[in-house]
Amino acid sequence: DTGVSQDPRHKITKRGQNVTFRCDPISEHNRLYWYRQTLGQGPEFLTYFQNEAQLEKSRLLSDRFSAERPKGSFSTLEIQRTEQGDSAMYLCASSPIDEQFFGPGTRLTVL
Amino acid sequence: AQKVTQAQTEISVVEKEDVTLDCVYETRDTTYYLFWYKQPPSGELVFLIRRNSFDEQNEISGRYSWNFQKSTSSFNFTITASQVVDSAVYFCALSPWGGGNNRLAFGKGNQVVVIP
Repeated sequence: DTGVSQDPRHKITKRGQNVTFRCDPISEHNRLYWYRQTLGQGPEFLTYFQNEAQLEKSRLLSDRFSAERPKGSFSTLEIQRTEQGDSAMYLCASSPIDEQFFGPGTRLTVL
Repeated sequence: AQKVTQAQTEISVVEKEDVTLDCVYETRDTTYYLFWYKQPPSGELVFLIRRNSFDEQNEISGRYSWNFQKSTSSFNFTITASQVVDSAVYFCALSPWGGGNNRLAFGKGNQVVVIP
């Protein structure tokens, strides 16, 4: 399978814990995006990488959120001190230039 | 700022009927892309179509067709002869054009239910 993969698919955590998600993009795509989707809403942009450089972050990305893409390959999104409001689907997309191809997402539930 | 509005929330149709989804957008960019994505119950967003702002030619791709009208900032999408497998949430999205961060701005989505 050469699509975008994300791990884990589901994560349940207690408030205050740290969580980390991983995204493996399509190998030849140099652009990578993270989005967050809450119930009944469309995805919202969080951050954007071109190769290993994080070039833009949304105001939605508070100081508790950090994303990395070492060596321009896979990416990780970490949330520190999780809050119930962080419960959402976290989507990763990779892109050669224009179209974005999405992974299956990581559904986070914060209890 | 970019904004996408999808007014209808849930649309139910009987199998084999056509269904049209409305999308209205706002942007200050002179060139941009418009997209439709499908999100089935499994949750993965599936790319359907893309249109450049400078190409208003409407096309048909299989059972999908779209009507792009720049004058009214609308990008409507039609599924012809709907099937049960078309049941999903459909998102209209907008992005800048021309390299750099082509971040997508999504509408709230249309839940399409195809009744057998």
